[in-house]
Amino acid sequence: DAGVIQSPRHEVTEMGQEVTLRCKPISGHDYLFWYRQTMMRGLELLIYFNNNVPIDDSGMPEDRFSAKMPNASFSTLKIQPSEPRDSAVYFCASSSDRGTLNTEAFFGQGTRLTVV
Amino acid sequence: AQSVTQLGSHVSVSEGALVLLRCNYSSSVPPYLFWYVQYPNQGLQLLLKYTSAATLVKGINDFEAEFKKSETSFHLTKPSAHMSDAAEYFCAVRRTSGSARQLTFGSGTQLTVLP
Repeated sequence: DAGVIQSPRHEVTEMGQEVTLRCKPISGHDYLFWYRQTMMRGLELLIYFNNNVPIDDSGMPEDRFSAKMPNASFSTLKIQPSEPRDSAVYFCASSSDRGTLNTEAFFGQGTRLTVV
Repeated sequence: AQSVTQLGSHVSVSEGALVLLRCNYSSSVPPYLFWYVQYPNQGLQLLLKYTSAATLVKGINDFEAEFKKSETSFHLTKPSAHMSDAAEYFCAVRRTSGSARQLTFGSGTQLTVLP
């Protein structure tokens, strides 16, 4: 498997524009996580899905953020409208429960978002 | 709620010296614990994980960590630092209550290895 694939790797956009980040999890994994990393706040969990269903979105900062998982192999994180304070690295990760809780999450390379 | 605290946001060691990165967890039940490493402009990579099978866990690149319930700690060590170990290290805990499955990360420790 190629691992968790995120696109684009870098995104520069103007304030007010819509931004869509994409993620392809590892095949067979039933959990998908979206994290945001900034210098000030570190790694924050935004939302996670289990079997394509959003389980906990309490980390989504505002209504400008939305995430979907239409099928087991694809998820999007959308920001509309984008603001400069959204600039960060966004990571997608996936994992498999396999009946235990100690299975690690595998991370993608991240999308570096810059909003100017 | 489960959480982890990493003591020391920056640690510097000389090449060949012992590496010790500290992590303490907060949990009302035995947690599942992980150490991840992040190299510049990369995603997070698993170093090792505590599975409750053994308190001393060995990971990649000669890293190891010991789970100490009495101290609620899961410190990461390596006997001899290499220049290539320079990176940011994250301790993480996985929730075991209810149906929650997310990893909660500490604030990270930046390791610098001096020649």
